[in-house]
Amino acid sequence: KAGVTQTPRYLIKTRGQQVTLSCSPISGHRSVSWYQQTPGQGLQFLFEYFSETQRNKGNFPGRFSGRQFSNSRSEMNVSTLELGDSALYLCASSSQGQGHTEAFFGQGTRLTVV
Amino acid sequence: KNEVEQSPQNLTAQEGEFITINCSYSVGISALHWLQQHPGGGIVSLFMLSSGKKKHGRLIATINIQEKHSSLHITASHPRDSAVYICAVIRAVGYGGSQGNLIFGKGTKLSVKP
Repeated sequence: KAGVTQTPRYLIKTRGQQVTLSCSPISGHRSVSWYQQTPGQGLQFLFEYFSETQRNKGNFPGRFSGRQFSNSRSEMNVSTLELGDSALYLCASSSQGQGHTEAFFGQGTRLTVV
Repeated sequence: KNEVEQSPQNLTAQEGEFITINCSYSVGISALHWLQQHPGGGIVSLFMLSSGKKKHGRLIATINIQEKHSSLHITASHPRDSAVYICAVIRAVGYGGSQGNLIFGKGTKLSVKP
């Protein structure tokens, strides 16, 4: 079974730009969750999608958005990038959602905003 | 005060030692995860538990719901166990915030010397 695939692995963007990150879950998994990891704040939950619907949302500004497609692949978008958005963005997939079944994490996308 | 506290923050052990990492939380939870993160960012889910004890190879995880405490034990530690270990809880209904969100501890950095 292929694992969770995140693309791209590394990204450099300029302040003010927008960025889209992609996450392909394990086949058959309907839940995709997104997390931000920074040295100062550690891991923080962004949002969870289940069967194309946002099921949970963390405490992030509206510049952070996401969506999930019918094949369960998910994208995360950050608009008007700020220097503080530089982080490792991780996604995780599970069959029934975080807290219900085991989560499998991708390798992450390391975003640098300059 | 963080809702999830881990101790110790850093741990150095000699190969073969028995290791314990602790996690205390202040919210009601529906489940708790222990995660392992190696340099480079990849995260592996070690355990998801809501009661009792689970064992996988040299790893043992326990949880005491009444005391709001969980421990991760590593028996016969090995240099390849060197990683950051992260405790994360799923907030239960009725405890404020957003139900279902994963709340992460800051992690315990383990270094096992040969």
